[in-house]
Amino acid sequence: DSGVTQTPKHLITATGQRVTLRCSPRSGDLSVYWYQQSLDQGLQFLIQYYNGEERAKGNILERFSAQQFPDLHSELNLSSLELGDSALYFCASSSSHRDQGDTIYFGEGSWLTVV
Amino acid sequence: DAKTTQPNSMESNEEEPVHLPCNHSTISGTDYIHWYRQLPSQGPEYVIHGLTSNVNNRMASLAIAEDRKSSTLILHRATLRDAAVYYCILRDMRSYNTDKLIFGTGTRLQVFP
Repeated sequence: DSGVTQTPKHLITATGQRVTLRCSPRSGDLSVYWYQQSLDQGLQFLIQYYNGEERAKGNILERFSAQQFPDLHSELNLSSLELGDSALYFCASSSSHRDQGDTIYFGEGSWLTVV
Repeated sequence: DAKTTQPNSMESNEEEPVHLPCNHSTISGTDYIHWYRQLPSQGPEYVIHGLTSNVNNRMASLAIAEDRKSSTLILHRATLRDAAVYYCILRDMRSYNTDKLIFGTGTRLQVFP
């Protein structure tokens, strides 16, 4: 158990809909990262937040957005869903930002299926 | 993005040592080498990381070449539970505010009884 909690574990929704994935980082961790893993793309970095502020953006679509709240949990919002958005979405956390010696821990992921 | 190169797959027998190689010729002086592994339908699991010296923990050992252009993850006695995809990663902090792990395709380790 990494200490990173993600909900829901599984989600099935229709095209065009909107969903919210939730992540609770490890106790005391200030950084939250979101990754997407699909069969044909591997693990892709989406976005990172540190202490409530967006710090880095990766291959995140404009239909997707995220935020980190004062209690440090984070949400990833996916809207106007398409079949190709079906994937595993991982949240990860670390205690700091830009500390190479620090460890990033991953949650178990949220399985999103768009039908 | 700093790149790593790993073999696509490797095989081992149970209770034998496994050496998983990784090349990272573009590594910079401050880049740590991180290893994660991923079992099917699970999140990546942290294994080990290091900068220059060899590192040991309860899961594995990390041997880093003197020029730091390559490293080897060592599983001392493979078990069936070690069958996974192993990722060798350089944490990307090249740009201001950037902090991310760039995953490649990894090495799929098969362990046979």
